[in-house]
Amino acid sequence: QKEVEQNSGPLSVPEGAIASLNCTYSDRGSQSFFWYRQYSGKSPELIMSIYSNGDKEDGRFTAQLNKASQYVSLLIRDSQPSDSATYLCAVNTGGYQKVTFGTGTKLQVIP
Amino acid sequence: NAGVTQTPKFQVLKTGQSMTLQCAQDMNHNSMYWYRQDPGMGLRLIYYSASEGTTDKGEVPNGYNVSRLNKREFSLRLESAAPSQTSVYFCASSEGVAGWDGDTQYFGPGTRLTVL
Repeated sequence: QKEVEQNSGPLSVPEGAIASLNCTYSDRGSQSFFWYRQYSGKSPELIMSIYSNGDKEDGRFTAQLNKASQYVSLLIRDSQPSDSATYLCAVNTGGYQKVTFGTGTKLQVIP
Repeated sequence: NAGVTQTPKFQVLKTGQSMTLQCAQDMNHNSMYWYRQDPGMGLRLIYYSASEGTTDKGEVPNGYNVSRLNKREFSLRLESAAPSQTSVYFCASSEGVAGWDGDTQYFGPGTRLTVL
């Protein structure tokens, strides 16, 4: 089992819809969870970090964490074509200095 | 404030050649990281440095060496390049230790390396 798993997609949503991206992780001791966005040919940039169970909102983005079920999700409301990118889930695993990245979900927002 | 910079942006090597990838950050961060990104494999940690003067292996360290020259600079060296090292290499930095402190990692623009 991979430490951090994401559906590779592509996930296609129409403009203005809600995009839902999911991530599961295997290490029950994980405490820090991150969502990064990566445009094609560019470097990853942080969108959200979440450390406690529940929801965390920042503008059109909401991160949701459920440690009991070992999943973290990212909701993007009012999706825009500019949101089209690959979204990477990252989780601290395997010791306190290691952050493991999922392979990413490619999101396509259709105008 | 340039953030994290990497040189070169592109490089083509022949099998057996050596090269050093350079990384520098101007955010006064303590921790620095080297990742490689391959299609379908995601970002994988090669080496990291939690503070000046310390380095530790990550998930895929074989074939690489690193040097934390000072607080700003962290270099990655390929002693004898192999085609399996064809990849995009990203350097990143964080104020504290990303895995422990939950700190954000800031990434450089990447180096696209091809080994023939």
